[in-house]
Amino acid sequence: DAGVIQSPRHEVTEMGQEVTLRCKPISGHDYLFWYRQTMMRGLELLIYFNNNVPIDDSGMPEDRFSAKMPNASFSTLKIQPSEPRDSAVYFCASRGQGGETQYFGPGTRLLVL
Amino acid sequence: ILNVEQSPQSLHVQEGDSTNFTCSFPSSNFYALHWYRWETAKSPEALFVMTLNGDEKKKGRISATLNTKEGYSYLYIKGSQPEDSATYLCASPNDYKLSFGAGTTVTVRA
Repeated sequence: DAGVIQSPRHEVTEMGQEVTLRCKPISGHDYLFWYRQTMMRGLELLIYFNNNVPIDDSGMPEDRFSAKMPNASFSTLKIQPSEPRDSAVYFCASRGQGGETQYFGPGTRLLVL
Repeated sequence: ILNVEQSPQSLHVQEGDSTNFTCSFPSSNFYALHWYRWETAKSPEALFVMTLNGDEKKKGRISATLNTKEGYSYLYIKGSQPEDSATYLCASPNDYKLSFGAGTTVTVRA
C-alpha cells in the first residue's frame, strides 16, 4: 500500500491566488481528515469526511477555505484567495472504519508570498 | 474541545540516556489515547493506541503507560539514540476527531 498520497509536496504562490491541495487516502479507508500545522497553533483539524460526506468543518478558518471529496479516493482542499497567513504545512490523514489509528500523508508545505 | 497537554515542551538527551515525558488529558469519559512520533520534514506516524487503565505498550526502546483515573500517560525512551530525535504527540479522540497536544520535542545529542 502506498499510504496516503498528497500533492503537491511544496507550493509557493502569491497572495490572492487560488491554491488547491490534493489527497488520496489509503484504499478502503472511510474517514479522511485535513489538518494544518503552524508554529502558533500546532496541529489543528480543519475538516473531516466520512464516506465522502463532510462531517465536521468547524475547524475551517474562514470562507476562503473549502474542501471536497467527490469520491472515496480523492479529496481537495482549496484556498481562494490565498493570504500570507495561510502559509503552513497541510496534512491529509485517513483511517478505516474499524481502526483507531489515523495515517498521515507527507504533507504539503504552502508558502504564500 | 478536549484539553490535551504535554510536558515538557522540549528536552535534550545525551545518547545512551533514558528519558520520559508526560501527556495529560481529561479523565472523565475517557475513550483512548494515541501517541504519534513526528520526525522533522516527515509526517506523524502512529506509535500506540492505549485504551485500558494500567495499559503498558512497547515498541523497541519506546514504551508508554496509561493512567485513566488520574488522566496521564508517560512515554519512555530507553537508551536514547540520535534517530529518536523527533516530536512526540499525544492525542485524545473526540467522536472520530483527534485533539492533539502541542508535543514534546526530543533532541538526542551524540
